[in-house]
Amino acid sequence: EVQLVESGGDLVQPGGSLRLSCAASGFTFRSHWMTWVRQAPGSGLEWVANIRDDGTDKYYVDSVKGRFTISRDNAKNSLYLQMNSLRAEDTAVYYCTRILAVRKSGIYFDSFDPWGQGTLVTVSS
Amino acid sequence: AIQMTQSPSSLSASVGDRVTITCRASQDIRNELGWYQQKPGKAPKVLIYAASSLQSGVPSRFSGSGSGTDFTLTISSLQPEDFATYYCLQDNNYPWTFGQGTKVEIK
Repeated sequence: EVQLVESGGDLVQPGGSLRLSCAASGFTFRSHWMTWVRQAPGSGLEWVANIRDDGTDKYYVDSVKGRFTISRDNAKNSLYLQMNSLRAEDTAVYYCTRILAVRKSGIYFDSFDPWGQGTLVTVSS
Repeated sequence: AIQMTQSPSSLSASVGDRVTITCRASQDIRNELGWYQQKPGKAPKVLIYAASSLQSGVPSRFSGSGSGTDFTLTISSLQPEDFATYYCLQDNNYPWTFGQGTKVEIK
């Protein structure tokens, strides 16, 4: 069974740091790009960051650039999100998800499948 | 950043109804768009990718259409398990962006 399990969410003070982890199983982790998506309480979904399968390319939403770092350890089948200088607006459930690339008419199209159950990060004093 | 505008933000419908949700991109995204369903307290689930391709295991009552800037998700006959919030996502250009969501409620 393909599975993603996040951990590391916690209550942290503004300005603090936190590291989220995502353990992958049931698929060849090193062959897939991975993603973090977050959802603030009562709000919609927000894409946060992508990382290439070999870790060489990383992309971020502007609001976290310079503060968050996405990384992976393919030997441990694990994805990470290091979050520094946390702000109240970073409060959210953070999901990790696999990018599933499907080739159609010679072009690859991406989708997020599956998703983990999410881990809650609360930034508050 | 590309803005994704979904409409309506919410709707009430009955079991058996045909439901249509639209998503408009602020610029051409070709057909690099997906649709996701989220039920309360649960992680989202992909329904459609590449604007019109049905994800494996998703019921055929779900369909997607569109290209360029205008896209549609259609549920041909609404079932009790379809009451949820639906999001579009463009993956044409970074930063990838979601629509604000459409909540489908029971009438």
